Order: sequence, then C-alpha cells, then structure tokens
Amino acid sequence: DQQVKQNSPSLSVQEGRISILNCDYTNSMFDYFLWYKKYPAEGPTFLISISSIKDKNEDGRFTVFLNKSAKHLSLHIVPSQPGDSAVYFCAATNAGNNRKLIWGLGTSLAVNP
Amino acid sequence: DSGVTQTPKHLITATGQRVTLRCSPRSGDLSVYWYQQSLDQGLQFLIHYYNGEERAKGNILERFSAQQFPDLHSELNLSSLELGDSALYFCASSVSGQGAAFFGQGTRLTVV
Repeated sequence: DQQVKQNSPSLSVQEGRISILNCDYTNSMFDYFLWYKKYPAEGPTFLISISSIKDKNEDGRFTVFLNKSAKHLSLHIVPSQPGDSAVYFCAATNAGNNRKLIWGLGTSLAVNP
Repeated sequence: DSGVTQTPKHLITATGQRVTLRCSPRSGDLSVYWYQQSLDQGLQFLIHYYNGEERAKGNILERFSAQQFPDLHSELNLSSLELGDSALYFCASSVSGQGAAFFGQGTRLTVV
C-alpha cells in the first residue's frame, strides 16, 4: 500500500517556466514532508521540507505547498533551469513511525532549453 | 558532496554469495539508514540505526542484516544472494533521526 503517491512519473517543462511536482499521501498522521532531488548514479539530495503546522515553505527558486485537508503537497520550481532535470522524490514521516521516511516513487523532470 | 561515504561503489557477485556494504555517516550524525532502490522502484527503507542501536526495520529480508559500530559507521550484510537482490543500495545519515537525511552515492550491486 503506497502511502505516498507521486502520480506523474514524468514531467517536461520549458526553461524559465514553472515546474509543479505533486505528491499525495494517505496517512493523516504524517507531520513532516520532504522533497529530494536525484541525479542518475547519485544519491538523493535534500531540497526542502515542510512541517504540518505550515502551509508554505520557500527557499530560493523552490517552494513547497502543503494542503493538509486534501493530503496533498506540491513543489514549485520557478524559474526552471536545465540543471533542475532530475528525479524528484516526495517523502513523509511522523513521530509515531519513529521518523521513518516513507517515499513516493518519484517524478522525472525534464527542463528543456 | 553529502559527507556520507559508501563503499564499494560497484559490486558484481554470483548468486548464493555474501557481500558487505559499508557506510560512513557525516561527521556528528548518529543516525544511519539503509535503503534499496531496484529498477522501476522507489526507495525502499530497509533499516535505521541510531547510535549503535536498531531503531526501525522496514522491508528488510531475513537474509539481510546490518549493524552500526561504536565509531558510527554501518555495514549492511547481504547473504544467499539472488538475482532479484540486484539494486542500488543507499546509506543516509542524519543528526538525530529527525528531519532531513543526507545520502551517500550508493553501492550498485549486480548479482549474476
């Protein structure tokens, strides 16, 4: 049972435009959410996180939005750059599961010049 | 560079064999996590150690075991290897087991 779902396996956007990556979750106990970026043959790199007490967190070109009632979060990248092309993973955790990260299957983003 | 070191980077071995993957966490990090990523699969959590003690277990097979040593490095032992064990194995570390974890570059295991 996939508790964290990234329903779009891939996304393609033009350089300079906005990239929106989506993530849905089923466990209402999740209270902390993270986004990671992964290049081929490398380990995932932490990008940005958000606590369930917030609905938005911003770091440079990256903004994560959390809609708890919809159990949905999204990562916005503005403006998108070719170097952003990677697989993006959404992960969630809560104190009740010993802070074990539960991962989505990832969305492959291609930013075209 | 995340500061997490995994060795070896690549490993090719035969079915039925046993291998050991090694992970050195970032300086100061007490938590070590092991993940498996197979083809077309997301990251599957295997096991979490905190300061030498097992904290959580995920989908880790009985043929697999791990430990964290007093110097905080960790080893993942995979035995009686099968073709389906071929995957990327990632180690990650964090300060306390909460918040973001930092990943190593992974060990690519190929079982032939």
